[in-house]
Amino acid sequence: DSGVTQTPKHLITATGQRVTLRCSPRSGDLSVYWYQQSLDQGLQFLIQYYNGEERAKGNILERFSAQQFPDLHSELNLSSLELGDSALYFCASSGATGGISGYTFGSGTRLTVV
Amino acid sequence: DAKTTQPPSMDCAEGRAANLPCNHSTISGNEYVYWYRQIHSQGPQYIIHGLKNNETNEMASLIITEDRKSSTLILPHATLRDTAVYYCIVRGAGGTSYGKLTFGQGTILTVHP
Repeated sequence: DSGVTQTPKHLITATGQRVTLRCSPRSGDLSVYWYQQSLDQGLQFLIQYYNGEERAKGNILERFSAQQFPDLHSELNLSSLELGDSALYFCASSGATGGISGYTFGSGTRLTVV
Repeated sequence: DAKTTQPPSMDCAEGRAANLPCNHSTISGNEYVYWYRQIHSQGPQYIIHGLKNNETNEMASLIITEDRKSSTLILPHATLRDTAVYYCIVRGAGGTSYGKLTFGQGTILTVHP
């Protein structure tokens, strides 16, 4: 157990639907990062939050949004889902904006869009 | 972020040392080199990081060249469980890239009996 908790572990949904992925960071970590891993794209950085504020954005689609709540858990919302959104979604956390001691990743949410 | 270049795949015999190279010729002076690995579809696992000096922990050793343009991750006694994709990452140190980890394609290390 890495200390980063992601739920659900698996999600199957239909095209056009909306889903919410949840991440609880390791205790004491203020930064949360979201990554998408599909077969043909590798691990792609989506977005970073630090203590509730957005700090960095990657190639995140406009159909996707995220937020970090006062208790530091984060949610990634995916809407108008397409088949191509099927992927593993990882959350990672670190102790500061930079996480000099490394990032801790969760075990991921496997999203399948049918 | 500085780009990294890694061989796409490597093989290693169980019990032998695995030496994984990484080139990062455009690295900036304040950027760290990180190594992660990903076993099958699990979340990436932090291995080690360094700035200038060689580093060692319970998992591996990291050797960084004096000019910092390349590094080598060493798994001293590889086991079958070390079969994974190994990522060499240069960590962004400024502006909006600060703290972001950019993953490349990595090296698929296969440890065989």
